[in-house]
Amino acid sequence: QQQVKQSPQSLIVQKGGISIINCAYENTAFDYFPWYQQFPGKGPALLIAIRPDVSEKKEGRFTISFNKSAKQFSLHIMDSQPGDSATYFCAASSRGNEKLTFGTGTRLTIIP
Amino acid sequence: DTGVSQDPRHKITKRGQNVTFRCDPISEHNRLYWYRQTLGQGPEFLTYFQNEAQLEKSRLLSDRFSAERPKGSFSTLEIQRTEQGDSAMYLCASSLVGRGAEKLFFGSGTQLSVL
Repeated sequence: QQQVKQSPQSLIVQKGGISIINCAYENTAFDYFPWYQQFPGKGPALLIAIRPDVSEKKEGRFTISFNKSAKQFSLHIMDSQPGDSATYFCAASSRGNEKLTFGTGTRLTIIP
Repeated sequence: DTGVSQDPRHKITKRGQNVTFRCDPISEHNRLYWYRQTLGQGPEFLTYFQNEAQLEKSRLLSDRFSAERPKGSFSTLEIQRTEQGDSAMYLCASSLVGRGAEKLFFGSGTQLSVL
């Protein structure tokens, strides 16, 4: 049962552009929504996370937008750089980090 | 802080053999998690420990799988009678609960190939 749906599967963005990745969830008990970045041969690394008491959270070039009524959240990467090329996973949980449910990932490629 | 360490990085085995993976968490981290990731998919939760106690196991963790965390430090994940469907990246993660915001740190994983 896929509880977190992520799109698109792959994304190509020009350097300096905005990368947008979307996720939708089904379980209304979810109350913690992190985004992870994974480079080839490495484990995922936490980028940014949000809880449903706020609709937006920004850290540097990374912003999470959260829509509780639509059960959707998205990651925006501003001024995308070649070093941002990686696979991005959204995740959700009702118990913090205890049992994360991950999306299927978005492979992001930033071209010059 | 050397990060979460996993050993081996790669393991090739024949179907039916037993394999064991080791995870060394970040020092002082009291929680340790195991996830499995197949190609093109996100990580799937397998189990987690609080200190030496195994608190939850996913239904994905069949009776061929066993995990331990003796003394609340390193952890081992053993797969008995491996099957081709066990081929995946096995990820370990650790965190410190009880001191501020919990942040999960993943290791680089053990890539298992079952022939």
